[in-house]
Amino acid sequence: KAGVTQTPRYLIKTRGQQVTLSCSPISGHRSVSWYQQTPGQGLQFLFEYFSETQRNKGNFPGRFSGRQFSNSRSEMNVSTLELGDSALYLCASSSSLHGYTFGSGTRLTVV
Amino acid sequence: TQLLEQSPQFLSIQEGENLTVYCNSSSVFSSLQWYRQEPGEGPVLLVTVVTGGEVKKLKRLTFQFGDARKDSSLHITAAQPGDTGLYLCAGPNNDMRFGAGTRLTVKP
Repeated sequence: KAGVTQTPRYLIKTRGQQVTLSCSPISGHRSVSWYQQTPGQGLQFLFEYFSETQRNKGNFPGRFSGRQFSNSRSEMNVSTLELGDSALYLCASSSSLHGYTFGSGTRLTVV
Repeated sequence: TQLLEQSPQFLSIQEGENLTVYCNSSSVFSSLQWYRQEPGEGPVLLVTVVTGGEVKKLKRLTFQFGDARKDSSLHITAAQPGDTGLYLCAGPNNDMRFGAGTRLTVKP
């Protein structure tokens, strides 16, 4: 059973640019959640999608957005990148609230 | 303020020692989970505890859920260098909330 796949693994972007990250969940999992992880803040919840609908949203500015497709694949977009957006972005899929399976993450560096 | 407070923040021990890390909250959770994360990778689920007072064992790891379902602990017996990593607890609160983690280093 394939795990959660995130692409790309690494990204370097310039301030002001925008970026799109992709996540393919475990087959059959309809829930996809996104987290931002930084050394200072730990794992911060961005948003959760279930069956193409955003179910929950964390406390991030509107520059952070996401969507989910009919095949459960999800993308998140960050526009007008800032230096502080440098982080590990993690995607997790689940079939219940009893456990998440995370991808390996996308390491975004904004210069 | 984190919904889930983990302690200690850092722990460095010698191989063979025992250790306990804690996860505390003022809120009641229907379940709590423990994850381990290694550098450059996503967290990996170790266990989910659901019932107050529940104890689960996973080889040398023992997980306990408090009777009031507000806290949990992870005890490692005879730690090994392979146990090195960031240990995170998490609980559902509309979304899944994570503690800041305990960074464990086990020296050979």
